[in-house]
Amino acid sequence: QLQLQESGPGLVKPSETLSLTCTVSGGSISSSSYYWGWIRQPPGKGLEWIGSIYYSGSTYYNPSLKSRVTISVDTSKNQFSLKLSSVTAADTAVYYCARGFDQPGAFDIWGQGTMVTVSS
Amino acid sequence: VIWMTQSPSLLSASTGDRVIISCRMSQGISSYLAWYQQKPGKAPELLIYAASTLQSGVPSRFSGSGSGTDFTLTISCLQSEDFATYYCQQYYSFPLTFGGGTKVEIK
Repeated sequence: QLQLQESGPGLVKPSETLSLTCTVSGGSISSSSYYWGWIRQPPGKGLEWIGSIYYSGSTYYNPSLKSRVTISVDTSKNQFSLKLSSVTAADTAVYYCARGFDQPGAFDIWGQGTMVTVSS
Repeated sequence: VIWMTQSPSLLSASTGDRVIISCRMSQGISSYLAWYQQKPGKAPELLIYAASTLQSGVPSRFSGSGSGTDFTLTISCLQSEDFATYYCQQYYSFPLTFGGGTKVEIK
């Protein structure tokens, strides 16, 4: 059974870079049938898609975040990662990684989510 | 960017009620629409994709319909475990976008 698990610091200082990793277990990240995505949810608010990556490395970003976001994949470790630079308090959120199918992506499997707080 | 208007934002209902949630797109998306259920402190769970296809393991009281710009999620007989927040999501084109959510609360 495929599982996703986010990992990374829970506290990031303003202006620094948020870095998270999603580890995929129980299946291969290199499947041509799926995309891999990051979605976030500020406290008490709705869902926002951050970006997605294909195993080949093709990336798709939310234009509202594109200048600050980098998503990469490491097929040897079965992981994909998120970097968000120049963070502010507005980036405080629960960050989810998820598997996208039915291209380019309804998300059928989600990680449990990780809370990231931006504060000095 | 495809904008989504989900309504209502809050719905008060009783167990056994039939509940309908709507999602309207700013432009046509064929049937590239998904519905999710989210409970407090948990990740969203996929209920329906391709507008009307029930995800494996999801109870048949959930159904989806629509195409183009107007979509609905129906819960035919609300159960206690269905009190949650529901989101629609379009995946016709990037950027992927979500509706604002509908919280279904106990009346």
